[in-house]
Amino acid sequence: NAGVTQTPKFQVLKTGQSMTLQCAQDMNHEYMSWYRQDPGMGLRLIHYSVGAGITDQGEVPNGYNVSRSTTEDFPLRLLSAAPSQTSVYFCASSSFGTANSPLHFGNGTRLTVT
Amino acid sequence: QQQVKQSPQSLIVQKGGISIINCAYENTAFDYFPWYQQFPGKGPALLIAIRPDVSEKKEGRFTISFNKSAKQFSLHIMDSQPGDSATYFCAASNNAGGTSYGKLTFGQGTILTVHP
Repeated sequence: NAGVTQTPKFQVLKTGQSMTLQCAQDMNHEYMSWYRQDPGMGLRLIHYSVGAGITDQGEVPNGYNVSRSTTEDFPLRLLSAAPSQTSVYFCASSSFGTANSPLHFGNGTRLTVT
Repeated sequence: QQQVKQSPQSLIVQKGGISIINCAYENTAFDYFPWYQQFPGKGPALLIAIRPDVSEKKEGRFTISFNKSAKQFSLHIMDSQPGDSATYFCAASNNAGGTSYGKLTFGQGTILTVHP
């Protein structure tokens, strides 16, 4: 059981480039989300999805796009990378099956924008 | 706007000591308060969680204390071990309607180092 898989693990981009961070889960979870982790800031929610075809913005959505075409996949797109997007990105999923189901996190993608 | 404030930013404890991490929240609609533990190079993982209808929850060496009137909650790690060295995040969510969306608001994190 792989859980939540994120690729790539590391990425370096130049300002203005675009890229997609991949996230896949094999637990049939309805809820998926993207967080970014910055020192002293904790984890901040970028976008989330409560099911295929449904997405919504979190706390820091600017500069990012998401889509959810299947239950398993929830890619995060950086449209035009900026140095302020240098961060560690985590994808997480959970089930609606039980109240307060825990978030299951991937191991992150470390992104550097130069 | 940081709705969950966590302190201290870092904490050094000797093996066998007690580690205490504190969090304060602003949104009175929050009704679920988990703590996550993160090791280097890994994603956070749920450690322990509490709901506001109880004032304390204990699981092994880990205890959450909750003060609803003060809007504060804390994590106590008894008999701290070097293997507990990690980053700890408090979090909160509002599960209105009884459905858990996992839409957590996290604190800033505490880097705990337990010296042998």
